[in-house]
Amino acid sequence: QSALTQPASVSGSPGQSITISCTGTNSDVGGYNYVSWYQQHPGKAPKLMIYDVTNRPSGVSNRFSGSKSGNTASLTISGLQAEDEADYYCSSYTSSSTRVFGTGTKVTVL
Amino acid sequence: QVQLVESGGGVVQPGRSLRLSCAASGFTFSSYVMHWVRQAPGKGLEWVAVISDDGYTKYYADSVKGRFTISRDNSENTLYLEMNSLRAEDTAVYYCARSLLLRCPEHWGQGTLVTVSS
Repeated sequence: QSALTQPASVSGSPGQSITISCTGTNSDVGGYNYVSWYQQHPGKAPKLMIYDVTNRPSGVSNRFSGSKSGNTASLTISGLQAEDEADYYCSSYTSSSTRVFGTGTKVTVL
Repeated sequence: QVQLVESGGGVVQPGRSLRLSCAASGFTFSSYVMHWVRQAPGKGLEWVAVISDDGYTKYYADSVKGRFTISRDNSENTLYLEMNSLRAEDTAVYYCARSLLLRCPEHWGQGTLVTVSS
């Protein structure tokens, strides 16, 4: 199972919006609405930001939103803030009943 | 509150075995699918294994299939990962995490470091 493809890095200025893509196949991202997104700060465990493509867990800022088109899912962070600087990973259920993570994206707030 | 606490990590020689544990509390353990996910130093997340809520169904990443075994004890609210024939490339922080049904991991523990080195 190959990792989902994410851009290595994305940057933006405070207040701007950025979008991170997550590209898979019709055996994972494109085949199921079980895509999640995680935020990970250095030395910390990942934190769930989006689940089931578009849903935000309780307590997660509404500046984070998710979407999907075909085999590509996306995470958008609007009103970028300094504390959003972190690594972000996508994940998907697969046709083999396993899960697969994305390659990870480092978000830098300029 | 939901708590997942991993233990059992440490330094182990190549070819040897190690068993990780994950103690769960604050939720109905037997209602959740459980996962192990690892992260090598400076690298991304790699999904390792999943076990169904009743413990009967298990799936593994190709990289660990045949060497690692996931199991659970619902009476003790504990998840396990038995790791055999360890290799240097198994060096990572190992996280346990829960999810519902087909979803991806949602709540994660803080992880335990496994270092495979002679």
